[in-house]
Amino acid sequence: EDQVTQSPEALRLQEGESSSLNCSYTVSGLRGLFWYRQDPGKGPEFLFTLYSAGEEKEKERLKATLTKKESFLHITAPKPEDSATYLCAVQGGTSYGKLTFGQGTILTVHP
Amino acid sequence: GAGVSQSPSNKVTEKGKDVELRCDPISGHTALYWYRQRLGQGLEFLIYFQGNSAPDKSGLPSDRFSAERTGESVSTLTIQRTQQEDSAVYLCASSLVGGGYTFGSGTRLTVV
Repeated sequence: EDQVTQSPEALRLQEGESSSLNCSYTVSGLRGLFWYRQDPGKGPEFLFTLYSAGEEKEKERLKATLTKKESFLHITAPKPEDSATYLCAVQGGTSYGKLTFGQGTILTVHP
Repeated sequence: GAGVSQSPSNKVTEKGKDVELRCDPISGHTALYWYRQRLGQGLEFLIYFQGNSAPDKSGLPSDRFSAERTGESVSTLTIQRTQQEDSAVYLCASSLVGGGYTFGSGTRLTVV
């Protein structure tokens, strides 16, 4: 059974204070690891897909990295508008189409 | 359409009543998914449709839950004899095969 654990559950940062969110996973044959952002009252918004260990992707202040056991979402010089819940999900080889999500990390960036 | 559309956005129902939730996927997206998100929890997989293949119903929590999809268009999720534990946000997503999901804004279901 695919499993995803995210840490920390909540993270408070000052504007400009860089940090990282962690996503640990166990999966049988990783097809992809996904990061989403979710704002209150809205559906998750797609950020990145990573397919193999060593892969990195960037978008504005966000950078996602992947190893064989975990993924990190690095946030550089965050702004208050980066405040949201960040969700990690995996798609395993035996569950094509289905994503297994972690519980999410609630990020709050104070001005 | 431009995005995934779900209706209604909010639904309050009495315990024991049946409810129908609707999802309009992005045109051309062959895959459609339903997830449930309870307050403060992660997304829980319910069901997955891919083209004309038999749906993956492995996440449906009980036989009170069912879903249909006509071709590659609209899907409805039906919950019969609703219970208070069914209260949650029900999210629909669509994708191209192997692509990232695009989610709708969800239907917030409250069973009183």
